[in-house]
Amino acid sequence: GQQVMQIPQYQHVQEGEDFTTYCNSSTTLSNIQWYKQRPGGHPVFLIQLVKSGEVKKQKRLTFQFGEAKKNSSLHITATQTTDVGTYFCAGRSNFGNEKLTFGTGTRLTIIP
Amino acid sequence: EAQVTQNPRYLITVTGKKLTVTCSQNMNHEYMSWYRQDPGLGLRQIYYSMNVEVTDKGDVPEGYKVSRKEKRNFPLILESPSPNQTSLYFCASSLRGSSYNEQFFGPGTRLTVL
Repeated sequence: GQQVMQIPQYQHVQEGEDFTTYCNSSTTLSNIQWYKQRPGGHPVFLIQLVKSGEVKKQKRLTFQFGEAKKNSSLHITATQTTDVGTYFCAGRSNFGNEKLTFGTGTRLTIIP
Repeated sequence: EAQVTQNPRYLITVTGKKLTVTCSQNMNHEYMSWYRQDPGLGLRQIYYSMNVEVTDKGDVPEGYKVSRKEKRNFPLILESPSPNQTSLYFCASSLRGSSYNEQFFGPGTRLTVL
């Protein structure tokens, strides 16, 4: 079945440094979504990418969808303590069902 | 306030004792789903429902049942819980299918099966 892997699993950065998490799917995706889960909280939707090669920005966050629609990345510039949490990608394959597969997540901690 | 609610939030039970975790949304969403979250494995979809009386298996459906008799409710049933079902469970809903709609998550239910 479809698998979505994320790397790294953990990332510790100094406040102000940049952070990137990568998402790789074993199958072509129709779209990809990104979620953030704060410690002790529930996942919260950040953004959705649909088109091949699409790039979207939200303030310090930049999201990319690969040309082959099998990978994606989230880059945070100049991290802040409010960025702490686990970031998940989630995608639906092109195979016609409505199953949504989440990545394994990247847990970001910030060293003040 | 638009939200997804789950009950109970915490539950400790014993092997084999049937339990139900309720999920309700007040946004008139068609799509609802259940996920379990385990360390290192991310969120794995258990079951999803496209609309009333329409349910389908996710990636890890074994040991779980669901029903969708009303649009707003999507209970998760564990007929005979086992310790490997100890996990953090999330219910989620979206306007329509998962493809192009953001998922709204409930607060989570932490289940321990002894």
